[in-house]
Amino acid sequence: GNSVTQMEGPVTLSEEAFLTINCTYTATGYPSLFWYVQYPGEGLQLLLKATKADDKGSNKGFEATYRKETTSFHLEKGSVQVSDSAVYFCALTPGAGSYQLTFGKGTKLSVIP
Amino acid sequence: EPEVTQTPSHQVTQMGQEVILRCVPISNHLYFYWYRQILGQKVEFLVSFYNNEISEKSEIFDDQFSVERPDGSNFTLKIRSTKLEDSAMYFCASSGEATEAFFGQGTRLTVV
Repeated sequence: GNSVTQMEGPVTLSEEAFLTINCTYTATGYPSLFWYVQYPGEGLQLLLKATKADDKGSNKGFEATYRKETTSFHLEKGSVQVSDSAVYFCALTPGAGSYQLTFGKGTKLSVIP
Repeated sequence: EPEVTQTPSHQVTQMGQEVILRCVPISNHLYFYWYRQILGQKVEFLVSFYNNEISEKSEIFDDQFSVERPDGSNFTLKIRSTKLEDSAMYFCASSGEATEAFFGQGTRLTVV
């Protein structure tokens, strides 16, 4: 079946540090890949997505590239801010008419001034 | 900005009781979903709903669960006889044709 594995947290960084959160997936066919973010006390929000191999999703300074050869979709940001503190979820939908999201466990990021 | 709204934000219920979780999806969306997250675990898919019927469901979504769109705006999840292990955060989501899912803030269900 489909699965998503992302690095365990929590991750604590100083402001302006470089962020990488690793995500790998297992899926048949041609999945679409997503990063969702959950700020404290809020619901899940889509951060970025990529729907085919070599696509790069980007939003708010975050980027992730769909790498089919390594089945990865790592999240990166060059300079994190305190306001980026949240839980980040990697997820996929399998395609072929299914919109069911399969999530990773989530990685909690804390950015300290 | 349109959003998915869920009520209540927190529900406490006794084991064996029925509970209904309510959601108002984004108005022009066609696909509706329920997910849940048991504390410390992954967000798990429960069910998707399209054109007034269930389109996909997971193994978790057994006979104790049902969904309904009773009118043009609400989408509900009913758990007939709650168990302790149903305690979780339940998220409703909706999406348009081939668009990403938008999530509500969740309902925390506590079964005592």
